[in-house]
Amino acid sequence: DTAVSQTPKYLVTQMGNDKSIKCEQNLGHDTMYWYKQDSKKFLKIMFSYNNKELIINETVPNRFSPKSPDKAHLNLHINSLELGDSAVYFCASSQEASLPYNEQFFGPGTRLTVL
Amino acid sequence: GQNIDQPTEMTATEGAIVQINCTYQTSGFNGLFWYQQHAGEAPTFLSYNVLDGLEEKGRFSSFLSRSKGYSYLLLKELQMKDSASYLCAAMDSNYQLIWGAGTKLIIKP
Repeated sequence: DTAVSQTPKYLVTQMGNDKSIKCEQNLGHDTMYWYKQDSKKFLKIMFSYNNKELIINETVPNRFSPKSPDKAHLNLHINSLELGDSAVYFCASSQEASLPYNEQFFGPGTRLTVL
Repeated sequence: GQNIDQPTEMTATEGAIVQINCTYQTSGFNGLFWYQQHAGEAPTFLSYNVLDGLEEKGRFSSFLSRSKGYSYLLLKELQMKDSASYLCAAMDSNYQLIWGAGTKLIIKP
């Protein structure tokens, strides 16, 4: 049983295209996240989302948008893909965003390559 | 600004002990996390410290000094499977995790 799953695992696409990455968690968690990990291995938070609040990292271009059909899913939609968007994107979830002890469970990652 | 510093790479010998240091600067503080990330895989949780002192969990221990903005992860009896990147992350006052770039640990026989 996979706790946090993402699809696809690999995504290769052309500049200018629009793509989506799906994420699902079966842990019953209230909060989900999207991270970008670039070639330098920094994990950068893009969004955190629960039923009440979407927190956006202000450095994230508005070409990126999270979409949550329900508490167990948080999909990432990207418009007009650019070369610099190439990275590994991780989805994660945790019980509650506003608790200090807030272990995050990560999905396997989606390696996006923009040509 | 908010910042996490940790060494880029460390090398150690199988069976030995290694200490990975991390210094942090955040707006407010709600705890310090260590995660392990094997190449091509997702990060997995190792430890959480919010009070000063040492937390021991098997072969891994984590230490925190809030006054110094400093933490370390101590790995004992190193095994080849411990070869991975170790990510330090501090939680700020908004409960957001600020991540370091990770320390790549290479274990040699």
